[in-house]
Amino acid sequence: KNQVEQSPQSLIILEGKNCTLQCNYTVSPFSNLRWYKQDTGRGPVSLTIMTFSENTKSNGRYTATLDADTKQSSLHITASQLSDSASYICVVSAKGGGNKLTFGTGTQLKVEL
Amino acid sequence: EPEVTQTPSHQVTQMGQEVILRCVPISNHLYFYWYRQILGQKVEFLVSFYNNEISEKSEIFDDQFSVERPDGSNFTLKIRSTKLEDSAMYFCASRMTEVYEQYFGPGTRLTVT
Repeated sequence: KNQVEQSPQSLIILEGKNCTLQCNYTVSPFSNLRWYKQDTGRGPVSLTIMTFSENTKSNGRYTATLDADTKQSSLHITASQLSDSASYICVVSAKGGGNKLTFGTGTQLKVEL
Repeated sequence: EPEVTQTPSHQVTQMGQEVILRCVPISNHLYFYWYRQILGQKVEFLVSFYNNEISEKSEIFDDQFSVERPDGSNFTLKIRSTKLEDSAMYFCASRMTEVYEQYFGPGTRLTVT
């Protein structure tokens, strides 16, 4: 069964600090891995998308890594801001079938002053 | 920038009633999806739709659910006889082609009483 696990479940950091969120997956056959940011009560918004051949991708202060051999990914947030407070969801897509997405449970990040 | 829109933002209905959730995907997109997120849980795939037919559905998407693209712009999810456990946030998403990003709408919060 395709699964995506994330850690930590929640995280509190001070504004300006960096943090790294982790994702492990068992999705086959693998197509791509995405990180989404979801504000409370809103739809997920894409941050990065990586295919099998990519091992790092950046989007501003967000940098995602992918190790397809160990089936692990991380999302690093640099110089956090209060507006970064949200749920960060790792999502893996399998090949075929309209690229159905398998979602992780998310890491709830809170950035405080 | 084009975006996926959903109406209503919040729907309250009594158990056993039929509800229709509406979505307007991005205009040149060809693949359409419905997801749901029960409060505090992860986003779950319901159904994908392409070329006027369902391409894949999850075990959640039973006979009580149906989808339709009645005209060139709307994409609807109907729940025939709602149950308490159908209470959730329902997200519509659309994609241009299989290799492009999925864009999510803001969601409809369905509350079944």
